[in-house]
Amino acid sequence: SQKIEQNSEALNIQEGKTATLTCNYTNYSPAYLQWYRQDPGRGPVFLLLIRENEKEKRKERLKVTFDTTLKQSLFHITASQPADSATYLCALGQGAGRRALTFGSGTRLQVQP
Amino acid sequence: KAGVTQTPRYLIKTRGQQVTLSCSPISGHRSVSWYQQTPGQGLQFLFEYFSETQRNKGNFPGRFSGRQFSNSRSEMNVSTLELGDSALYLCASSRGLAGAQETQYFGPGTRLLVL
Repeated sequence: SQKIEQNSEALNIQEGKTATLTCNYTNYSPAYLQWYRQDPGRGPVFLLLIRENEKEKRKERLKVTFDTTLKQSLFHITASQPADSATYLCALGQGAGRRALTFGSGTRLQVQP
Repeated sequence: KAGVTQTPRYLIKTRGQQVTLSCSPISGHRSVSWYQQTPGQGLQFLFEYFSETQRNKGNFPGRFSGRQFSNSRSEMNVSTLELGDSALYLCASSRGLAGAQETQYFGPGTRLLVL
């Protein structure tokens, strides 16, 4: 069956370090993958989109990689700050006409000052 | 530009009742998707409406239904509420179909508690 896995345990890192979050999937052939940030009591906020033919995407301190062979995406936050503390969700899209995004369960990131 | 708004923000119902939730998308957005979020299951897709037509549907029972109006506003209805329906219900809007690599903009959600 189709499955998207993100680390269920919280990731705790020190301020200034690079946080790396993982999204693994099985039995999917995604056309693209998105990363969202969600703060408690709020809806997810879009961060980055990466397509199946792209290896890497960057936006300010954020970097996403997408390896369709490993069926994995890595999400990096460099020079992390306490304000980056939130839950990060990956979502897979299978293209136009298909079901809308399928989300992973998210990884909670805690950046310690 | 105003963001996605959802009403009400909080709701308490009892088993067997029905509930209607409302979502107003960002101006110009024609797609509205609904999701259910629970601690155990995460974010699960309910359905997507585009130009007043349901375009995609998730694996939820028929008790969950929705509709979209000509102004793109959307409502979802849950009939015969069960305890397990307690969740945060999120709607998201996008210009085009969500599956077409569109960025989705989420509302703050409606937190439903079924007693």
